[in-house]
Amino acid sequence: AQTVTQSQPEMSVQEAETVTLSCTYDTSESNYYLFWYKQPPSRQMILVIRQEAYKQQNATENRFSVNFQKAAKSFSLKISDSQLGDTAMYFCALGGNAGNMLTFGGGTRLMVKP
Amino acid sequence: DSGVTQTPKHLITATGQRVTLRCSPRSGDLSVYWYQQSLDQGLQFLIQYYNGEERAKGNILERFSAQQFPDLHSELNLSSLELGDSALYFCASSVGAGWSTGELFFGEGSRLTVL
Repeated sequence: AQTVTQSQPEMSVQEAETVTLSCTYDTSESNYYLFWYKQPPSRQMILVIRQEAYKQQNATENRFSVNFQKAAKSFSLKISDSQLGDTAMYFCALGGNAGNMLTFGGGTRLMVKP
Repeated sequence: DSGVTQTPKHLITATGQRVTLRCSPRSGDLSVYWYQQSLDQGLQFLIQYYNGEERAKGNILERFSAQQFPDLHSELNLSSLELGDSALYFCASSVGAGWSTGELFFGEGSRLTVL
């Protein structure tokens, strides 16, 4: 079975500052994919960033980057230069080889303060 | 806009009733997935269809069923509804059935309230 744990239910950050959201996971599969999804108040799930486990290089998308520690089964999301529009729930998700089924963590509610 | 369309956006019904949620995937996507987001269970995978056939099954109750039609739209049927079925039901789609084909695209969800 796959599990994803987000240990920070809520976080806040000042606008323009940097924040890191934590995620740990467990899987027995040798190849898998990790994702961060954002769910703003509009409730739509939006992909922020993805990481393929066989790639050692950490993924980066503009202000968003990850710290992928495969041995530690850790996958944290760093948001640089936080903006008010980053206020949302953030979900870490794990996908295994069986298909596109995702296992989600419990989410971290991020508030960006002006 | 992800290109995935879900209807209805909101639905209020009573216990014991049956409802149908509808999903139209992005143009060209062959896979459709259903997820349930509730306050106590978080986001849970229910079921996946690929090109009309069931591909993977998650924590879907026997009272729930789904299908994917030849035009690739999908319906999730929820019957004998209970208060605990109140949740946000997401549909997502992707091009293929495996990870090499890319990410999932989520719809805006259908909010079901059971009174």
